[in-house]
Amino acid sequence: DAGVIQSPRHEVTEMGQEVTLRCKPISGHNSLFWYRQTMMRGLELLIYFNNNVPIDDSGMPEDRFSAKMPNASFSTLKIQPSEPRDSAVYFCASSLYEGLAATDTQYFGPGTRLTVL
Amino acid sequence: AQSVTQLDSQVPVFEEAPVELRCNYSSSVSVYLFWYVQYPNQGLQLLLKYLSGSTLVKGINGFEAEFNKSQTSFHLRKPSVQISDTAEYFCAVTPQGAQKLVFGQGTRLTINP
Repeated sequence: DAGVIQSPRHEVTEMGQEVTLRCKPISGHNSLFWYRQTMMRGLELLIYFNNNVPIDDSGMPEDRFSAKMPNASFSTLKIQPSEPRDSAVYFCASSLYEGLAATDTQYFGPGTRLTVL
Repeated sequence: AQSVTQLDSQVPVFEEAPVELRCNYSSSVSVYLFWYVQYPNQGLQLLLKYLSGSTLVKGINGFEAEFNKSQTSFHLRKPSVQISDTAEYFCAVTPQGAQKLVFGQGTRLTINP
């Protein structure tokens, strides 16, 4: 298996521009997670989906952030408009959730390093 | 709510020496516990996890961790580290049956020759 695939790996943009990050989860996984990693705040969960449905978006910083999962093999995280404080590494992870007996091992992608100037 | 405290932000160790990375958690319900490793410029990779049963859990690359319920700890150990173990290590917790991982701030392990 190719693992979790994220694109782009690096993104440099100017303040005010729209940024779209993409993720392809591991085939057969039914849960998908978006994380943000910064030096100041560490690793934070932004949002996660089960069977393409958003379950918990309480970590999404504000309305400028939105995430979608139109099908089981693709998700996007969009920032519009972007700000310098959004600069971070954004990780996507996927897992196989089977209910209460789940082991919930999350498999992480390589991340997208976003720099907003 | 759950929280995780990794007591050391940086741990320098000489090659072939033993190491312990400390992790304490807080939760009002039973939890699953995880250690992840992040090598430079890579995503996180699962080292080991505790779900139930034996409190001593063995993982990849010679690492092991011990769950101590009374002390709410899940410390990671390796008897003899290698240069290739240089990485950042994250302890994480999730309530049993839930999916939301809560991570600690990470411990940067540096192995010196």
